[in-house]
Amino acid sequence: EAGVTQFPSHSVIEKGQTVTLRCDPISGHDNLYWYRRVMGKEIKFLLHFVKESKQDESGMPNNRFLAERTGGTYSTLKVQPAELEDSGVYFCASSPLNRGFYEQYFGPGTRLTVT
Amino acid sequence: QQQVKQSPQSLIVQKGGISIINCAYENTAFDYFPWYQQFPGKGPALLIAIRPDVSEKKEGRFTISFNKSAKQFSLHIMDSQPGDSATYFCAASMNSNYQLIWGAGTKLIIKP
Repeated sequence: EAGVTQFPSHSVIEKGQTVTLRCDPISGHDNLYWYRRVMGKEIKFLLHFVKESKQDESGMPNNRFLAERTGGTYSTLKVQPAELEDSGVYFCASSPLNRGFYEQYFGPGTRLTVT
Repeated sequence: QQQVKQSPQSLIVQKGGISIINCAYENTAFDYFPWYQQFPGKGPALLIAIRPDVSEKKEGRFTISFNKSAKQFSLHIMDSQPGDSATYFCAASMNSNYQLIWGAGTKLIIKP
């Protein structure tokens, strides 16, 4: 079974440009999460999809960030326009929808560098 | 406001020794406490998790100790091996299907 995949693995863009990150969750996982780790600090929650619906987007830093999950499969996270403080590693995770305690499986992350 | 405080930031342990990483939380509504292990270039991977109805959980060389009254939990790695060298994160949530609140991470180095 394929794990969570993320693309690209690394992106370097200039301030003001746009970047789109993609996450493909494990097949059949209805929960999809985005997290971000900035400059060696703690990993912070950005948002949570249940299928194609945004369940919780309380962690999104501002309206420069737009997440979508069309058809409840893969998800994209767009940053437009990018700022220097957006640099960090963006992780995607997925888990089954069933009730109970299931681990969140993480992708390898996308390292975003804004110069 | 950081809700999960993790210490130490880095730790060096001799091979065969015991590695201990500590975390403290603030929100008493948390009821799921996982530890994640992350190797360079990889995403975090669940190592072991505990719920507050037990005080200890052991899986192989890894043990979580949980103190509900003190709002603290710790990871113990017995007989630490060089392959255990990684960054370890504690986390907490109100169940596994909600957002995880993370500690800042501990970079563990096991010296041969």
